[in-house]
Amino acid sequence: KAGVTQTPRYLIKTRGQQVTLSCSPISGHRSVSWYQQTPGQGLQFLFEYFSETQRNKGNFPGRFSGRQFSNSRSEMNVSTLELGDSALYLCASSSEGTGTEKLFFGSGTQLSVL
Amino acid sequence: DAKTTQPNSMESNEEEPVHLPCNHSTISGTDYIHWYRQLPSQGPEYVIHGLTSNVNNRMASLAIAEDRKSSTLILHRATLRDAAVYYCILRERRDDKIIFGKGTRLHILP
Repeated sequence: KAGVTQTPRYLIKTRGQQVTLSCSPISGHRSVSWYQQTPGQGLQFLFEYFSETQRNKGNFPGRFSGRQFSNSRSEMNVSTLELGDSALYLCASSSEGTGTEKLFFGSGTQLSVL
Repeated sequence: DAKTTQPNSMESNEEEPVHLPCNHSTISGTDYIHWYRQLPSQGPEYVIHGLTSNVNNRMASLAIAEDRKSSTLILHRATLRDAAVYYCILRERRDDKIIFGKGTRLHILP
């Protein structure tokens, strides 16, 4: 079984631009969650999607949004990029998104905002 | 949201057991205790999880206190490849808003 795939692996943008990151979960998994990882704040939960619906959301501004497609693939979008958005963005998938299951993480997308 | 507290860093010698502690005094009855680890330049990797009873798998053992306010991840025989940041997190049975702490950076000495 293929693991969680995130594209692109690296991305460089400038302030004010927007960016879209992609995450393909493990086949059969319906829950996809997104995280931002920075040296200062560590791993922070962004949001979780299950069957195309956002089920949970962390404490991030509205510039951060996401969606999930019928094949469970998910995208996250960050509009009006700021320098502080430079981070490793990780996604994880699981079958039902419950606490009884393992989370499978991708390798992440490293976003640099100049 | 339930929180966990872990030491910032720990050191261990290769081929010796390692005990990584985690405090979660505000744990609720439906929270599962999960451990993940993150190697450099990789996403976190699942290690083990449990609810009340101690758990064993091929990677590690999880010892859960009787009152569930703390747990310990046990690596039975550390290798250099076990050097990573270890995260202890609580996950609710039904909901999945996951709160990561700062984790413990484990150094393995050859």
